[in-house]
Amino acid sequence: QSALTQPRSVSGSPGQSVTISCTGTSSDVGGYNYVSWYQQHPGKAPKLMIYDVSKRPSGVPDRFSGSKSGNTASLTISGLQAEDEADYYCCSYAGSYTSWVFGGGTKLTVL
Amino acid sequence: QVQLVQSGAEVKKPGASVKVSCKASGYTFTSYYMHWVRQAPGQGLEWMGIINPSGGSTSYAQKFQGRVTMTRDTSTSTVYMELSSLRSEDTAVYYCARALREYSGYDAFDIWGQGTMVTVSS
Repeated sequence: QSALTQPRSVSGSPGQSVTISCTGTSSDVGGYNYVSWYQQHPGKAPKLMIYDVSKRPSGVPDRFSGSKSGNTASLTISGLQAEDEADYYCCSYAGSYTSWVFGGGTKLTVL
Repeated sequence: QVQLVQSGAEVKKPGASVKVSCKASGYTFTSYYMHWVRQAPGQGLEWMGIINPSGGSTSYAQKFQGRVTMTRDTSTSTVYMELSSLRSEDTAVYYCARALREYSGYDAFDIWGQGTMVTVSS
């Protein structure tokens, strides 16, 4: 099972919005509404930011939002803040045999 | 509070096995599936498998079939991940991660352990 495809890097200025894409296939992203997004700061464990495509866990700012169209999921961060600078990973359920697959990760730089 | 505490760093020789533990606290251990995810240095996240702490059933990523074994001890609320026939490419940080919702095997990874660095070197 190949990893989901994410851009290696994105950037934006404070206050701006950025969108990170996550492209899979009909066997993973397109086939299930079990897409999640994780934020990881250097040397830290990942943190859940979005689950079930577009739901936010308690405590995650509403600046973070998720969506999906076909085989591509997206994470949008609005009102960029310095602390948003981190790596972001998408993840999708991919059926009982393969189970879960991650994207390769996207480094967000806040200029 | 809900937390997962993993065992300490390990250094192993190629061909050896490693067993990493993940002790859960602050919630009902048997109600939440547990995943294992690894991250090689400078690389992305890679899903390894899942265990149902209630009955002990497991499902492993195809890549690790035959080399990984996930078990649990309900008396100590601890899950274990053992990886055998280690090679240099297995050098990574290994994380346990709890499912978000009770009794859900199709779920995001909510609570993460602090990670365990496993180094494979001769």
